[in-house]
Amino acid sequence: AQSVSQHNHHVILSEAASLELGCNYSYGGTVNLFWYVQYPGQHLQLLLKYFSGDPLVKGIKGFEAEFIKSKFSFNLRKPSVQWSDTAEYFCAVYVPSWGKLQFGAGTQVVVTP
Amino acid sequence: NAGVTQTPKFQVLKTGQSMTLQCAQDMNHNSMYWYRQDPGMGLRLIYYSASEGTTDKGEVPNGYNVSRLNKREFSLRLESAAPSQTSVYFCASRRSQEEQYFGPGTRLTVT
Repeated sequence: AQSVSQHNHHVILSEAASLELGCNYSYGGTVNLFWYVQYPGQHLQLLLKYFSGDPLVKGIKGFEAEFIKSKFSFNLRKPSVQWSDTAEYFCAVYVPSWGKLQFGAGTQVVVTP
Repeated sequence: NAGVTQTPKFQVLKTGQSMTLQCAQDMNHNSMYWYRQDPGMGLRLIYYSASEGTTDKGEVPNGYNVSRLNKREFSLRLESAAPSQTSVYFCASRRSQEEQYFGPGTRLTVT
């Protein structure tokens, strides 16, 4: 069965700390990969996406993600988080044969001042 | 562009009542989706419509029906609401090969 796994359900860190959120998927062919963010009380917004090309993708607000095909991973990183990065983060995978987006369970990130 | 809009924003229903959640997009997208979001479970796809005139079941379709009224509108109906359908519902739309755009959500409580 197709699946998307996010390694951590909750992460708590201090401002200026570095953040890395893991995402793995189970499909061996061509994929489109996404990270979405949901700020408290808001809807999902796109942080970044990977379709092809350079496996290191830069998104909004200083986030980046690296696609490692051999590890079926698309981990999200930010070198120095801010309190405003407190949110839930979702990894998502689109496979053309699936015809729809598969989401991970989400990681709740809390940044303390 | 309003993007993806949803109505209502909040709703409280009694068990057994019915209601329809409305979704519209003004981006001329072919595909539209309905998700529910529950704590610790991410977003789960209820139904989707790859194009006007077609609908398909997603991961959790039981207890729901949908109508793709035209290219812009995709509604979700609960015929007989149950407490297990208490959730936040998101509509989304997508043009092929691009990301999905989400609506603001409907917070539904079934008592």
